[in-house]
Amino acid sequence: DAGVTQSPTHLIKTRGQQVTLRCSPKSGHDTVSWYQQALGQGPQFIFQYYEEEERQRGNFPDRFSGHQFPNYSSELNVNALLLGDSALYLCASSPLGPLMNTEAFFGQGTRLTVV
Amino acid sequence: QQQVKQSPQSLIVQKGGISIINCAYENTAFDYFPWYQQFPGKGPALLIAIRPDVSEKKEGRFTISFNKSAKQFSLHIMDSQPGDSATYFCAASRGGIDYKLSFGAGTTVTVRA
Repeated sequence: DAGVTQSPTHLIKTRGQQVTLRCSPKSGHDTVSWYQQALGQGPQFIFQYYEEEERQRGNFPDRFSGHQFPNYSSELNVNALLLGDSALYLCASSPLGPLMNTEAFFGQGTRLTVV
Repeated sequence: QQQVKQSPQSLIVQKGGISIINCAYENTAFDYFPWYQQFPGKGPALLIAIRPDVSEKKEGRFTISFNKSAKQFSLHIMDSQPGDSATYFCAASRGGIDYKLSFGAGTTVTVRA
């Protein structure tokens, strides 16, 4: 079992550009959540996808959007990048849908640097 | 507004010593309290978790103590080893309403050999 895999591992973008990050959940998991972790801080919830729909959203602007595919994999898109978007972006997967309080498995993250 | 407050920000412990990290929460709807361990450049890995129907849970050298009335929970790392040097995050979530983890700010633990 490969666990949660994210790509790319590192990315450098220029202010104003757009970026797409990808996540493949752990086998058997149907719910994917995205978190932003700034340097020296705890992860902050961005949004969660289940059955190809956004189910919950944290306090992030509309520049942050996502998608979930029929195979449960997910993408995070960020438009009009700002310097403050530089962070480690983490994907977490869990089984049994968003209302079940089950263990969340995290990927290794994508380190995004905006210059 | 941080829903889970974690302390200390960092701590140094000698090999074989005990590391203690504390967390406090306000939302009484929280009913799942995991602890994550994160090494530099890696994603968080679940260490141990507790639900409010028990006051203590132990897995190997790691123990969670939970005080529902005080809305506090803590992680104890017994017989600390250099390999335990990492950043530890407490978190909380509400089952049956939503499932998003609210994380503390993290504690960097350094174990000196």
